[in-house]
Amino acid sequence: QSVLTQPPSVSGAPGQRVTISCSGSSSNIGAGYDVHWYQQLPGTAPKLLIYGNSNRPSGVPDRFSGSKSGTSASLAITGLQAEDEADYYCQSYDSSLSGSVFGGGTKLTVL
Amino acid sequence: QVQLQESGPGLVKPSETLSLTCTVSGGSISSYYWSWIRQPPGKGLEWIGYIYYSGSTNYNPSLKSRVTISVDTSKNQFSLKLRSVTAADTAVYYCARVAGIVGATQYNWFDPWGQGTLVTVSS
Repeated sequence: QSVLTQPPSVSGAPGQRVTISCSGSSSNIGAGYDVHWYQQLPGTAPKLLIYGNSNRPSGVPDRFSGSKSGTSASLAITGLQAEDEADYYCQSYDSSLSGSVFGGGTKLTVL
Repeated sequence: QVQLQESGPGLVKPSETLSLTCTVSGGSISSYYWSWIRQPPGKGLEWIGYIYYSGSTNYNPSLKSRVTISVDTSKNQFSLKLRSVTAADTAVYYCARVAGIVGATQYNWFDPWGQGTLVTVSS
């Protein structure tokens, strides 16, 4: 059972917009700690997608965006493309555990 | 551009110690925090712990009693030892740099990551 809760799967057609939620609590996201997002393509290591809630590293398309409100965060992907099919993970800090925590991951399927 | 590469045995017997090394290239290990993260087959990511180049550490409470992370600045490497392993410790083990403001671990993220190495616990 992950400290951060994500939907196991989401799907969308090419060109559509999808969102992936990451739900936490008052000891992590709700405490004001930043949320970060990673994309894991099949058979590869996770790659940083969003840091500091809404910042994109160089090279990440602006189709990817992040937001945070209260005890939750969201990753939005617009103009869905076939190559976006991957697993997505959120990550934050938890004061109860005094360490980093991940969401359980969400598998994005492009129909 | 910093790159990380994990190395170590791919098979460990139950009750023995898992030992992995992460070699950092393209930059110095100094002035950063470094972390180990694992992913059981078909499952999600689990943070194991991190180490500062000076040697200070912080571990996941669920693994703390069995984990030791160490650093060798002369070799630009850091290492993971996980004792008394069971089948539940079978996973791909990743090393990663802790990015963001050094020391502000509550706001840090992981970038870049190594390619990962699969460690299977089996007799």
